[in-house]
Amino acid sequence: QLQLQESGPGLVKPSETLSLTCSVSGGSITSSSYYWGWIRQSPGKGLEWIGSIYYSGSTYYKPSLKSRITTSVDTSKNQFSLKMRSLTAADTAVYYCARFRRQIGGFDYWGQGTLVSVSS
Amino acid sequence: DIQMTQSPSSVSASVGDRVTITCRASQDFSSWLAWYQQKPGKAPNLLIYGASNLQSGVPSRFTGSGSGTDFTLTISSLQPEDFATYYCQQAHSFPRTFGQGTKVEIK
Repeated sequence: QLQLQESGPGLVKPSETLSLTCSVSGGSITSSSYYWGWIRQSPGKGLEWIGSIYYSGSTYYKPSLKSRITTSVDTSKNQFSLKMRSLTAADTAVYYCARFRRQIGGFDYWGQGTLVSVSS
Repeated sequence: DIQMTQSPSSVSASVGDRVTITCRASQDFSSWLAWYQQKPGKAPNLLIYGASNLQSGVPSRFTGSGSGTDFTLTISSLQPEDFATYYCQQAHSFPRTFGQGTKVEIK
């Protein structure tokens, strides 16, 4: 059974950089069948796609966030990561990592989510 | 970007009711549409992909239909565990976009 687990700080100061890692177990991150994505949800709000990465390193980002984010894949650790710079209170959210299955066009496995609060 | 608009934003219904949620896209993208269910404090769960295909393990009371720009999720007979928020998501192109969600509440 595939499992995804987010890890990172729960509290970040404004203007600082958030670093999150998603550890994948029960399956390989190098499969050509999947993209690996980040989605966030601000308190009481809807789902917002942040970006996706392919195992080869190809990346796709939400345009409004593109200047502040970087994603990467570490195939040796079966992990992928998100860095988001210049955080503000508006970035406070639950951050999910998820697997996007290309053949069906859906995120079929999700991590449990990690709450990131931006506050001084 | 493809904008996804769901309606209604919330619906009150009783156990056993038939519930229909609509998702409209700002441009035509055939059938690359998914539906998710999210319960409070939990990650979303994929229900439907390809507009009408039931994800493994999802009860058959959930059906999806539509293509092009107009899509529908129907719950044929609402069960207590179905009270949740539902989201559509287009998978046609980047950036991926979600609808704003529809909350199904107990009447």
